[in-house]
Amino acid sequence: GAVVSQHPSRVICKSGTSVKIECRSLDFQATTMFWYRQFPKKSLMLMATSNEGSKATYEQGVEKDKFLINHASLTLSTLTVTSAHPEDSSFYICSASPGGIGDYGYTFGSGTRLTVV
Amino acid sequence: TQLLEQSPQFLSIQEGENLTVYCNSSSVFSSLQWYRQEPGEGPVLLVTVVTGGEVKKLKRLTFQFGDARKDSSLHITAAQTGDTGLYLCAARHSGSARQLTFGSGTQLTVLP
Repeated sequence: GAVVSQHPSRVICKSGTSVKIECRSLDFQATTMFWYRQFPKKSLMLMATSNEGSKATYEQGVEKDKFLINHASLTLSTLTVTSAHPEDSSFYICSASPGGIGDYGYTFGSGTRLTVV
Repeated sequence: TQLLEQSPQFLSIQEGENLTVYCNSSSVFSSLQWYRQEPGEGPVLLVTVVTGGEVKKLKRLTFQFGDARKDSSLHITAAQTGDTGLYLCAARHSGSARQLTFGSGTQLTVLP
């Protein structure tokens, strides 16, 4: 089945530094990937849609300069949290779908627990 | 605002009991999915329903899509401790791009 690998699984960084999170589709190509944020015991909130070869589409209220997304290849999207602050601490999850418009299957990465101290 | 309302938000039951989780919206969806998520992991797809009135069974889990494709339910029979987790419904709106909107989630705890 389709596999999405997310790295790192956990990261602790100091306030003011930047952190990069990688999302890779291992056995399929993904022109579109999605980035979510999740708070404890809460649902997933879509942050942005990552489009290969073009700019990401951000959801309302998500700062594009704060959360930089790069989707330079068909198998890799990265999310960089710039100048991180403690309020950015959260669980970040990516997802991708190997299929076309008619395919409903989405595979999720295992998530990245970011702690900003 | 959440477009998908799930209820209940929290559910704690004894092993062997039955339960139903609901996912409701005022919008029509082209498809709806149910996921289960464990702490520190990404969600894992359980089922996708597409046709109004559709019923799908996955062992002790029964999923139903409303006739109008605005709501869905997940019923678990004879719950086991391994069923513990966060259950999420998610949907794509008709005509939208491929983004998924997630429901508010139901945290299920099955006690031994």
